[in-house]
Amino acid sequence: GQQVMQIPQYQHVQEGEDFTTYCNSSTTLSNIQWYKQRPGGHPVFLIQLVKSGEVKKQKRLTFQFGEAKKNSSLHITATQTTDVGTYFCAGRGNQGGKLIFGQGTELSVKP
Amino acid sequence: GAVVSQHPSWVICKSGTSVKIECRSLDFQATTMFWYRQFPKQSLMLMATSNEGSKATYEQGVEKDKFLINHASLTLSTLTVTSAHPEDSSFYICSALRGSGTEAFFGQGTRLTVV
Repeated sequence: GQQVMQIPQYQHVQEGEDFTTYCNSSTTLSNIQWYKQRPGGHPVFLIQLVKSGEVKKQKRLTFQFGEAKKNSSLHITATQTTDVGTYFCAGRGNQGGKLIFGQGTELSVKP
Repeated sequence: GAVVSQHPSWVICKSGTSVKIECRSLDFQATTMFWYRQFPKQSLMLMATSNEGSKATYEQGVEKDKFLINHASLTLSTLTVTSAHPEDSSFYICSALRGSGTEAFFGQGTRLTVV
């Protein structure tokens, strides 16, 4: 079945440093979504990418969808302590329906 | 924005009892809702897809007789954990799709502890 792999599992950075998490799917995706989950909270939708090679920006966050629509990345520039949390990618296969979540990348930011 | 309310937010129950968790879309209709389970420090594991007016579709390895799902209206889906055991203790989260959209709106989650 479809699998979504996400790396790294953990990332510890100094405040002000950049951060990137990568997501790879075993199959071509129709779209990919990114979520942020704060400790003790529930996932919150960040963005959805649909087009091959798509790049979207939200302030310090840059999201990319690969040309083959099998991989994606989230890059945070100049991290802040408010960026702390676990970032999940979630891919939807071409058959539609359910989202398959990656394992998540837990980001900690040292002030 | 779209709001999904999940209740209760936490529950403690005795082994052998059943627990019902509700997931409501407050300001939109959701023909499709999803139920996830999340273990500490782990990702969300899809348990089942709940479609209004029809039987839920369970993922491989999820016991449908143990995790009963009912999606009786366009704004409410329920998950009942029957004959709960300590290994059922987990964080259960629902999400809902608004209309034909693809963005999933999550409930706050329910932390179940079975003692």
